[in-house]
Amino acid sequence: SQQGEEDPQALSIQEGENATMNCSYKTSINNLQWYRQNSGRGLVHLILIRSNEREKHSGRLRVTLDTSKKSSSLLITASRAADTASYFCATGMDSSYKLIFGSGTRLLVRP
Amino acid sequence: SQTIHQWPATLVQPVGSPLSLECTVEGTSNPNLYWYRQAAGRGLQLLFYSVGIGQISSEVPQNLSASRPQDRQFILSSKKLLLSDSGFYLCAWTPATGSQETQYFGPGTRLLVL
Repeated sequence: SQQGEEDPQALSIQEGENATMNCSYKTSINNLQWYRQNSGRGLVHLILIRSNEREKHSGRLRVTLDTSKKSSSLLITASRAADTASYFCATGMDSSYKLIFGSGTRLLVRP
Repeated sequence: SQTIHQWPATLVQPVGSPLSLECTVEGTSNPNLYWYRQAAGRGLQLLFYSVGIGQISSEVPQNLSASRPQDRQFILSSKKLLLSDSGFYLCAWTPATGSQETQYFGPGTRLLVL
């Protein structure tokens, strides 16, 4: 079963604009992660935020986590055409290190 | 450095035929290993995971099975493929110690069952 649901399902923006993607989940979590997938490729880990953290930055990425609302957001600032990809949130819930992935947001950055 | 390989990259198989997909990890010992399936335009569904040789946990009952004959080898199999087995199969690993939350993915195998 899928725990996370991303919103929007698809997003099209102009290069240089910011892109914001949201993720909602249903149960208590240990951590929440964001991954990127280029078309037809494997996933690449972007950033991890733990349940006791509220915000985290990595380069042009900013992730927030609101455990009271069971939601997270990923902000990509100053987007580039190379950021075009699908972005997935994934929740880790216990010591088995299993992840439950959402359905993803397809981001298109127009040059 | 660690690398993860999957093969084949693409596979077209008839319904009812057997399946064997292989995943190997290099540069680490005793990794946790995972098999996922991704339907077109969808998220990832965890199929199996393994924390050691011969230790397999199944997440979704279906006609697929997994085995871990060696420490860094993870195999996904089926005796008889169904049309619904078509999809993109991804293998991933996490370290046995240290930061175990982040998963590292292979390039995937695209399977088409006709």
